[in-house]
Amino acid sequence: RKEVEQDPGPFNVPEGATVAFNCTYSNSASQSFFWYRQDCRKEPKLLMSVYSSGNEDGRFTAQLNRASQYISLLIRDSKLSDSATYLCVVNFRDSSYKLIFGSGTRLLVRP
Amino acid sequence: ETGVTQTPRHLVMGMTNKKSLKCEQHLGHNAMYWYKQSAKKPLELMFVYSLEERVENNSVPSRFSPECPNSSHLFLHLHTLQPEDSALYLCASSRETGVYEQYFGPGTRLTVT
Repeated sequence: RKEVEQDPGPFNVPEGATVAFNCTYSNSASQSFFWYRQDCRKEPKLLMSVYSSGNEDGRFTAQLNRASQYISLLIRDSKLSDSATYLCVVNFRDSSYKLIFGSGTRLLVRP
Repeated sequence: ETGVTQTPRHLVMGMTNKKSLKCEQHLGHNAMYWYKQSAKKPLELMFVYSLEERVENNSVPSRFSPECPNSSHLFLHLHTLQPEDSALYLCASSRETGVYEQYFGPGTRLTVT
């Protein structure tokens, strides 16, 4: 089983749609969870941290389910500019120096 | 955004050349990282430094040699590279290693001919 697993997509949605991505992780002792966004040929950029209680930032909502070991990202009212690859990132306590990056889920928002 | 800068942004080098990539962070962080990202592949962690001390070397070939002279600067020295080393090389920093979010530089796009 991969340490951090994501559906590669692409998710192809119309503008204004709501889209959700899930990510599963293998280490039950993980403490930190993040979503990053990566545009084509650019660096990953932090989108939001994911807290146990769930958190929202504008059109973006992140949820954590520790029992099932997954995190989710919900994007409401999709914009063309949301087209990117979304990376799920988790820290593992037994790999104390690093974060584990998923392979990413590609989102295409069409007019 | 100038939190983490990298130079050069693009580099073309022959297999017998020696070159260096430079990274500088202006965020007051104590940890710095080198990643490799090949086309359509996930990020691969190469090296981790904490307070200028290397704490992880992810089975990277010796033709890649990192250097961290202080907590703000990180170098990646390259020599006798192979064409398959062509990739985007990304530098990142974080407050400390482990649980904290990482901030990335824009990367150096390297082509080995």
